Amino acid sequence: GAGVSQSPSNKVTEKGKDVELRCDPISGHTALYWYRQSLGQGLEFLIYFQGNSAPDKSGLPSDRFSAERTGGSVSTLTIQRTQQEDSAVYLCASSLRPGVTEAFFGQGTRLTVV
Amino acid sequence: KQEVTQIPAALSVPEGENLVLNCSFTDSAIYNLQWFRQDPGKGLTSLLLIQSSQREQTSGRLNASLDKSSGRSTLYIAASQPGDSATYLCAVPNTGNQFYFGTGTSLTVIP
Repeated sequence: GAGVSQSPSNKVTEKGKDVELRCDPISGHTALYWYRQSLGQGLEFLIYFQGNSAPDKSGLPSDRFSAERTGGSVSTLTIQRTQQEDSAVYLCASSLRPGVTEAFFGQGTRLTVV
Repeated sequence: KQEVTQIPAALSVPEGENLVLNCSFTDSAIYNLQWFRQDPGKGLTSLLLIQSSQREQTSGRLNASLDKSSGRSTLYIAASQPGDSATYLCAVPNTGNQFYFGTGTSLTVIP
């Protein structure tokens, strides 16, 4: 596709339910990032994938959060047993050469836990 | 750990005015610096990428400068328009694993 695509754009879920957020990066981009932006807050790094290397999971806030990237392309961020503090916009980005070329962001998924 | 600061936090200017947004970072060993804009409820749109070897980068009415040694970058917007109203973010990557973002400058251009 022309840009980074995220789905769904909005998700409302009940506390305690599991959710899956999807990111489809720009074709050929080897690096993929997940960030979280809470209301009125800055961007919080969650996880980074680069090619076939082990992902950098250092930003995941708890073991309820996990992510995978299949075939070096599409990524799914899963949040288990959602809590109200998980409510935020989840942003995905991709880059052709991490640290060298531009990173492009998707439009985000707005998650609301009620 | 890299720390990125943006000043001012908010800025309101009349249409047509030229303006400067500031970004400072604590670790000068950067590969590049990227400026983004974020409209309310939207994702980030890349504006400019300036490599560590560059001093300036221009795109239309936007000009970004970089002074690595002093840990500063500026984004200059010429002849501002109401459509420029947004939050502007600067970001620096570490070795590639993640970007360190500033807290942003919220710009309002008054018609």
